[in-house]
Amino acid sequence: QITLKESGPTLVRPTQTLTLTCTFSGFSLSTTGVGVGWIRQPPGKALEWLALIYWDDDKRCSPSLESRLTITKDTSKNQVVLTMTNMDPVDTATYYCAHRSYSYDEFDQWGPGTLVTVSS
Amino acid sequence: QSVLTQPPSASGTPGQRVTISCSGSSSNIESNYVYWYQQLPGTAPKLLIYRNNQRPSGVPDRFSGSKSGTSASLAISGLRSEDEADYYCATWDDSLGGRLFGGGTKLTVL
Repeated sequence: QITLKESGPTLVRPTQTLTLTCTFSGFSLSTTGVGVGWIRQPPGKALEWLALIYWDDDKRCSPSLESRLTITKDTSKNQVVLTMTNMDPVDTATYYCAHRSYSYDEFDQWGPGTLVTVSS
Repeated sequence: QSVLTQPPSASGTPGQRVTISCSGSSSNIESNYVYWYQQLPGTAPKLLIYRNNQRPSGVPDRFSGSKSGTSASLAISGLRSEDEADYYCATWDDSLGGRLFGGGTKLTVL
């Protein structure tokens, strides 16, 4: 059974750096074709894809946020970390991590999400 | 405003068939697979359709997907009250070099 869970601060000050950790179980990020991604959703708004890291350490980031995002993995700890610099109130959102399935080419299991508020 | 355009709302009565559209362009929908998600209130999204028209195991065959040119559609037949949710299309965009989600469609079961 695949499970994922996001963890990190619930409140971030403007200009600070956000660090979120996705801790997962039920799969290995060293398995061919597997990936873990991050997606966010501002309150009452649509989903927005942020970043994806693959089993081979290939990384993809949203072009509009690429300069602010870093995604890394620690296969031994079953964790993926997303950092986002220079946080702004418009970055207030629920942040999800998700398992990218080799079979479906897509995010088939998601964490429950964590709400991050950016406010002074 | 999303690159992938979905109607903000849709509705139907129990038992009806409802379709939700997703309009894009040659750099996204036309040249890549389309995926659909269902998001029930207060929960994480759930994958409904992958590779245009395939259902993951456990997804009822009441849900179907299709694609033609720069547009895609999700159809829900035999509408049920538990289908009331937000629905999102998703695909890759070759020009932007990133993954896109549509703006979402809120489905109401009357």
